[in-house]
Amino acid sequence: DTEVTQTPKHLVMGMTNKKSLKCEQHMGHRAMYWYKQKAKKPPELMFVYSYEKLSINESVPSRFSPECPNSSLLNLHLHALQPEDSALYLCASSQTGTGKTEAFFGQGTRLTVV
Amino acid sequence: QKEVEQNSGPLSVPEGAIASLNCTYSDRGSQSFFWYRQYSGKSPELIMSIYSNGDKEDGRFTAQLNKASQYVSLLIRDSQPSDSATYLCAGEGGSNYQLIWGAGTKLIIKP
Repeated sequence: DTEVTQTPKHLVMGMTNKKSLKCEQHMGHRAMYWYKQKAKKPPELMFVYSYEKLSINESVPSRFSPECPNSSLLNLHLHALQPEDSALYLCASSQTGTGKTEAFFGQGTRLTVV
Repeated sequence: QKEVEQNSGPLSVPEGAIASLNCTYSDRGSQSFFWYRQYSGKSPELIMSIYSNGDKEDGRFTAQLNKASQYVSLLIRDSQPSDSATYLCAGEGGSNYQLIWGAGTKLIIKP
């Protein structure tokens, strides 16, 4: 089972709103990722959690706040976003300690900031 | 700066023919490479991983890795219209968690 589940599938939010994206996996993976993808571009890494600890933060603005409550769950809290933050937000997971980065993606959240 | 380069296409292939997708990479230290398929508006789907020189086959898909020439390719045999998608090549980055992505090649299979 290579399933990563993201909710919601679509989200429209105003620039003053606070919302959260959620991600869940039950593959026993201990690395979880948030990516941002704009149209016709490859995914862009935002954050990596390894064993529930933030391992990589790719200089993402503080209006994006990740959280990893446990080994299966990953959240991305959104606050005071800008229209240019509109994109497809992807969660992914992978094994750790194998020297491999075989990442499996969720179906994504299509975010529109108005 | 580590890079993975792909021709953005579109690459147009007749149905039933072999589609050949290629990418090159700059970091000789990269060991692992991945091909993802992405349909328009959907998320990337991992279709092949390759870690050693040579060919790896899975159904209609064959991944090829040539470390001496620093290129990775994906062959799709008996191409079907459902194979029409953007194919993303990714290589292992500086850590276990980072991937270096190519820009993606748009593949169109013409019936």
